[in-house]
Amino acid sequence: GAGVSQSPSNKVTEKGKDVELRCDPISGHTALYWYRQSLGQGLEFLIYFQGNSAPDKSGLPSDRFSAERTGGSVSTLTIQRTQQEDSAVYLCASSLAAAGGFGTEAFFGQGTRLTVV
Amino acid sequence: GDSVTQMEGPVTLSEEAFLTINCTYTATGYPSLFWYVQYPGEGLQLLLKATKADDKGSNKGFEATYRKETTSFHLEKGSVQVSDSAVYFCALKWRALTFGSGTRLQVQP
Repeated sequence: GAGVSQSPSNKVTEKGKDVELRCDPISGHTALYWYRQSLGQGLEFLIYFQGNSAPDKSGLPSDRFSAERTGGSVSTLTIQRTQQEDSAVYLCASSLAAAGGFGTEAFFGQGTRLTVV
Repeated sequence: GDSVTQMEGPVTLSEEAFLTINCTYTATGYPSLFWYVQYPGEGLQLLLKATKADDKGSNKGFEATYRKETTSFHLEKGSVQVSDSAVYFCALKWRALTFGSGTRLQVQP
């Protein structure tokens, strides 16, 4: 597609359940990011994939959070045993190049709004 | 590690006022710098960018100059409109993409 696609757009889940959030990046983009945005807050970095390199997981808030990227394209963010504090908008972004330089702007999806009740 | 600090909001201005939103950064390499904007109810979108020192990014009347000596990338606009009301995020990219905390701008008619 033309842009970054995320699904579902909205997810309501019960506390303790597992959820999977999907991100389809722009074709050919080698870098993929996940961020979390709580209501009225800034962007919290979660995880970053770049090509075949080991992902930067330094932003994952706990071991309940994990992400994978299959075939260098689609990524899935999984939250196990969801808690109410996990409620937020989860944003995915992709970009063409890795570090510095031209063409490194990231394009964002519309996000998945997760509500844990 | 890399970090971005931007002025706290909210910033409230009257229409046609001059806008400055300060942004400073700390980076280990030679990052690209960005301003993203999030309009109410919408996703994040790139407003402007600069990829090296002394570059000026501009778009929709907004400007920002990459100042390596002061490690700054302040956003400016000469005459704001009500439609500019949004949250503005400063960001840098070296390896990962690092964002500031965002500044909410409210422009009143």
